Amino acid sequence: SAVISQKPSRDICQRGTSLTIQCQVDSQVTMMFWYRQQPGQSLTLIATANQGSEATYESGFVIDKFPISRPNLTFSTLTVSNMSPEDSSIYLCSARAPNTGELFFGEGSRLTVL
Amino acid sequence: AQTVTQSQPEMSVQEAETVTLSCTYDTSESDYYLFWYKQPPSRQMILVIRQEAYKQQNATENRFSVNFQKAAKSFSLKISDSQLGDAAMYFCAYCQYYNTDKLIFGTGTRLQVFP
Repeated sequence: SAVISQKPSRDICQRGTSLTIQCQVDSQVTMMFWYRQQPGQSLTLIATANQGSEATYESGFVIDKFPISRPNLTFSTLTVSNMSPEDSSIYLCSARAPNTGELFFGEGSRLTVL
Repeated sequence: AQTVTQSQPEMSVQEAETVTLSCTYDTSESDYYLFWYKQPPSRQMILVIRQEAYKQQNATENRFSVNFQKAAKSFSLKISDSQLGDAAMYFCAYCQYYNTDKLIFGTGTRLQVFP
């Protein structure tokens, strides 16, 4: 199994600011992903964080709003830029275990934008 | 487009009893995976059980089992001998066989377990 740590676990942010969420995996993984879970709703895939290249974004998500970095096989960051109250969500990092293919999740980062 | 539907926003069960959570999905694919994830208050999503669509046998993991009806596109989760620690949000999820990177989640069912 893989252990995924996210920082911060929660934050309260002002409108118009940006926040970067860090995701650290305790082992090397090939695939890392970022999901958003809006209040009372399900998880939606934002993007696949590719190591050494630009992230692959899902429909409705763009790099300018959600820039993602993946400098190595165990670490990724998601930035939520120019935040508005509509960005208040839980953001979850996930990674695919190389041997089993199972998807593991971090505990999420709860962002509240005032 | 593929969709996953969980029609029960909330369910409750008495400790030691059995509860079944419903999930239906829509896809034109013949090969795919289905999952049940548990999200306790700590928020960490945990894989409960996985079913490959090409397998007719229903998956089982200890007290957790599924009833996979491919023709009906139904994938229910049965929790036997419910425990207080089973209280959580349960999400049903789908992914294509050749695109396992993108999981499509249902809206979740909140399960309460009463002593």
